[in-house]
Amino acid sequence: EDKVVQSPLSLVVHEGDTVTLNCSYEVTNFRSLLWYKQEKKAPTFLFMLTSSGIEKKSGRLSSILDKKELFSILNITATQTGDSAVYLCAVRSPWIGGSTLGRLYFGRGTQLTVWP
Amino acid sequence: DVKVTQSSRYLVKRTGEKVFLECVQDMDHENMFWYRQDPGLGLRLIYFSYDVKMKEKGDIPEGYSVSREKKERFSLILESASTNQTSMYLCASSLGPGMNTEAFFGQGTRLTVV
Repeated sequence: EDKVVQSPLSLVVHEGDTVTLNCSYEVTNFRSLLWYKQEKKAPTFLFMLTSSGIEKKSGRLSSILDKKELFSILNITATQTGDSAVYLCAVRSPWIGGSTLGRLYFGRGTQLTVWP
Repeated sequence: DVKVTQSSRYLVKRTGEKVFLECVQDMDHENMFWYRQDPGLGLRLIYFSYDVKMKEKGDIPEGYSVSREKKERFSLILESASTNQTSMYLCASSLGPGMNTEAFFGQGTRLTVV
């Protein structure tokens, strides 16, 4: 049973479009939600969100968290071909109960393809 | 600059071979992780280690073992490689217990078992 669910699994858009990627989660003792971008190599870190309603922004990318409804969105405006990648959402929660050992639960990713 | 280095980008091994995947980080991180990534399944945790010689099984530890003799190095061992272990393997590291920070990933090792 997936603890982190991303949608859509795949998305094809044209350059200049705006896209919204979704991530919903169900974990106990939530600590943070992270977004990564993965091209044909290592995932690279985009954002970490810990508080509801506070938007994080980096250039054309932005993300926000809703801890009440247990989801996050990643927005990309004015998409470019270089945005083509798999976008991964991960949620950190303690390994066991109240343990301080944290682990990340990953979703299956959203494959974004941007056509010129 | 933060660095997690995996020893090989591509490996081809035969069924039944013992396979070692090596990962080294230079950030003095306590936590290290091994994931495998398969199409449609995302990243699945195999093992993680939160200190030297300490390890915990992840979600899919069967057929794997790990070794952490030094803080900077975390090895994944396939005791007897099988074709269903053909996959992309990703190593990651992060700061220690209680630290809410991002994980840094290596470039991945694409393992093919024939």
